[in-house]
Amino acid sequence: EIVLTQSPGTLSLSPGERATLSCRASQSVSSSYLAWYQQKPGQAPRLLIYGASSRATGIPDRFSGSGSGTDFTLTISRLEPEDFAVYYCQQYGSSPQITFGQGTRLEIK
Amino acid sequence: QVQLQESGPGLVKPSETLSLTCTVSGGSISSYYWSWIRQPPGKGLEWIGYIYYSGSTNYNPSLKSRVTISVDTSKNQFSLKLSSVTAADTAVYYCATLSMVRGVMGYWGQGTLVTVSS
Repeated sequence: EIVLTQSPGTLSLSPGERATLSCRASQSVSSSYLAWYQQKPGQAPRLLIYGASSRATGIPDRFSGSGSGTDFTLTISRLEPEDFAVYYCQQYGSSPQITFGQGTRLEIK
Repeated sequence: QVQLQESGPGLVKPSETLSLTCTVSGGSISSYYWSWIRQPPGKGLEWIGYIYYSGSTNYNPSLKSRVTISVDTSKNQFSLKLSSVTAADTAVYYCATLSMVRGVMGYWGQGTLVTVSS
């Protein structure tokens, strides 16, 4: 089973700052199948990034993804007030076929 | 744009079977794989399983013995049954599309809270 570990658990930053969120896999993950989601309170998750680095439709270019193998990163270049939320990484492929990281909470400092 | 809506009882008794339905609109049920995901209150996301319109399924091994996902193409719906529930199954249950090409869930329902309690 591939376990995804996200760090930090909570990230406290101010609007305008740069956010760097990490997702580390216990085994190598195909870059084609690493995704990031954003979830706000009371809402369903929203797909941000797929294929490790491709933005989903309508996602602003301040969101970017990178990485390969076991280490992946989501970067938000300049935080907007609406970006404060919980972020999850997700892999597809190895049994169980879909797993999520435990999430990183991005909060306003 | 595809829209999904979960429906079903919000309260289930322990040892009984949880049953939810997801109704798809704005798209054909033959266009995607269809997935169920759950989220216990204040916790992270757990994938439950998925189904294709043909009826082929894949389940999370941790839940496989208790899960059945089915599809009704005539109604553009797919369903989840989870048997022998306990309080640990209390969660918001989401249905979502699953793209096998990208391995991601692009469209999600709003989610429905199911509480397991006597």
